[in-house]
Amino acid sequence: DILMTQSPSSLSASVGDRVTITCRASQGISNYLAWFQQKPGKAPKSLIYSASSLQSGVPLKFSGSGSGTDFTLTISSLQPEDFATYYCLQYNDYPWTFGQGTKVEIK
Amino acid sequence: EVQLVESGGGLAQPGRSQRLSCTGSGFRFGDHGMSWFRQAPEKGLEWVAFIRRKAEGETTEYAASVKGRFIISRDDSKSVAYLEMNSLKIEDTAVYYCTRAHPYSVGWTLDYWGQGTLVTVSS
Repeated sequence: DILMTQSPSSLSASVGDRVTITCRASQGISNYLAWFQQKPGKAPKSLIYSASSLQSGVPLKFSGSGSGTDFTLTISSLQPEDFATYYCLQYNDYPWTFGQGTKVEIK
Repeated sequence: EVQLVESGGGLAQPGRSQRLSCTGSGFRFGDHGMSWFRQAPEKGLEWVAFIRRKAEGETTEYAASVKGRFIISRDDSKSVAYLEMNSLKIEDTAVYYCTRAHPYSVGWTLDYWGQGTLVTVSS
């Protein structure tokens, strides 16, 4: 199985901060990488697919980059509605596997 | 508007069976793959199963933790995907989400998710 290592596991940030979350795959996954946002008690929401393609309706403050084994999700200016847990998912090979999540909290 | 609605969750005893349904609306159901994910209490997300669309043979994929016990299927005439869960274990307790797998040039995007249905396995 492909192991997805996400970092940090949590972070504290202020409104307006630029936030970067990384995801590293244990082997190359090309660009078959997605990012999801999940708020407590809610279903995950798709943000990014194919490593850098923004899902329809997702604000431009979210961006993704990377290919191969190293990937990044960036939130350019953190807003109150962005405090949530973020997950990466590789879908290059079965089983699809997630990172352990990054909880973004208010500083 | 695209919507996915899961149903069929609830309390089940270990070793018994339960069937989840995911009803889609607002899109051409048969044009999309469908997948199930789950999230145990206070845990991260876990992929469970995937079924391709009819044009791709409706072939299926499973996580090792459920292979041989769970069966994913679909009925495009009803716009429903199913997850038949057999030989349930305590560790299958989770919120189960269905997702639409929208095809793009070289892969899938899991662009819409249902609200989830809780399955509790307990004696």
